[in-house]
Formats: sequence, structure tokens, C-alpha cells
Amino acid sequence: EADIYQTPRYLVIGTGKKITLECSQTMGHDKMYWYQQDPGMELHLIHYSYGVNSTEKGDLSSESTVSRIRTEHFPLTLESARPSHTSQYLCASSERGWNTEAFFGQGTRLTVV
Amino acid sequence: AQSVTQPDIHITVSEGASLELRCNYSYGATPYLFWYVQSPGQGLQLLLKYFSGDTLVQGIKGFEAEFKRSQSSFNLRKPSVHWSDAAEYFCAVGASGNQFYFGTGTSLTVIP
Repeated sequence: EADIYQTPRYLVIGTGKKITLECSQTMGHDKMYWYQQDPGMELHLIHYSYGVNSTEKGDLSSESTVSRIRTEHFPLTLESARPSHTSQYLCASSERGWNTEAFFGQGTRLTVV
Repeated sequence: AQSVTQPDIHITVSEGASLELRCNYSYGATPYLFWYVQSPGQGLQLLLKYFSGDTLVQGIKGFEAEFKRSQSSFNLRKPSVHWSDAAEYFCAVGASGNQFYFGTGTSLTVIP
């Protein structure tokens, strides 16, 4: 069983609020990722990190930001939530190198009203 | 550019029947290929992976997949489907920089 945790699992929040989605992994993985998942769509990479103090934007434009101050922690922040941010957010991690797979958390279902 | 195509949005099979889920990829170099399964409200769980070697790979829960370079395909198969296999299935390719690109998924319904 993969040791990667996301909190909260479900969140309903009003427009304009600031929110932080938490993601932690206990596997010591260097690489971490945030994906956005909508029904019938592929998972879209919104942010990734190669290690501490490393963050990159993914293929999908996002108004969110991330930080990587500790290896195990990769939080995602929305400064001002909007209804268009309603989605499922999946955090993942992997070891450094080519031949590795991604391990996923259970996801956070975000609804902005 | 890397991409993954899963042409079947939804598949329905009877319990005990065989299953094949299709996946085609586009990638310039040697691909690293994965199949993941997602149950409702859950994250993605790795079923199997192909990095090199034998083109027929075995995974968990009785699944297998075959890599065919000439067809750019990595189809997932199971000889006898169980009701608990109902879920969403995602094919993915690992690209340079250790990023992962996913297909749009195939939703599997199993009828008794």
C-alpha cells in the first residue's frame, strides 16, 4: 500500500476563499505531482517538483501555487477560489529516475460554490 | 508530443467474460507504459507496468498487458472479469523528466 496522503478528502468552499490542499508522502520520494481530474478527461498535470525548493508548472494552466519546503510535503494553494476550480485534485509521488511509477493519494474533491 | 489514446470511453462486459481495454500511445523514444485502476472516490492504483524486456507483462488482480511497438499499443486484458473489476482504467506513458501522461480513461461496467 502506497503511503501518500491527501487532506481533506472533500471540501466545499465559497467563492473568494483561500484554500490549501495538503499532500504528504512517507516514501522519501524526490518527485511529487499535482493532477487535476475532471470526468471524461485525462489527468492534467498542473504542478510538479523534483525535490526540495523545486517547483514547476505543468501542462495545464492553473491559478494555484505549490511549495516544496520538505521532501515529504507538497501543498497546493488557491488564493481565491472560483467555481471553475471545482474538480478532483490528485497528488502523486515517484522515485527519481526513468523506470519508476507514480503512487497516488486518494484525492481531494473540491467544490467551490 | 507525448499522448495516450484510450478509444473506448465505456465498456460493459458480463461477469466471467474476457476483457480487453485498448491503449495507443505516441512517444518518440522507448516508452514506459502503465495501467492504473481507479475505484469511485479513490486515487489511482497501479495494475502493471512495462519498462523493457518481455512484451507481455503480468499485473495484479489477474490483469496482463501486451506491448506492441509496431502498433504503438499497450492493451490490457483479463481472461475472466469479476464484478469487483468495475472501475475506471487509465493508461499512461512515462516521458522525459519523469512526467506521466494519461489517457482519458475507460469506464468498465460488469453485469451479472
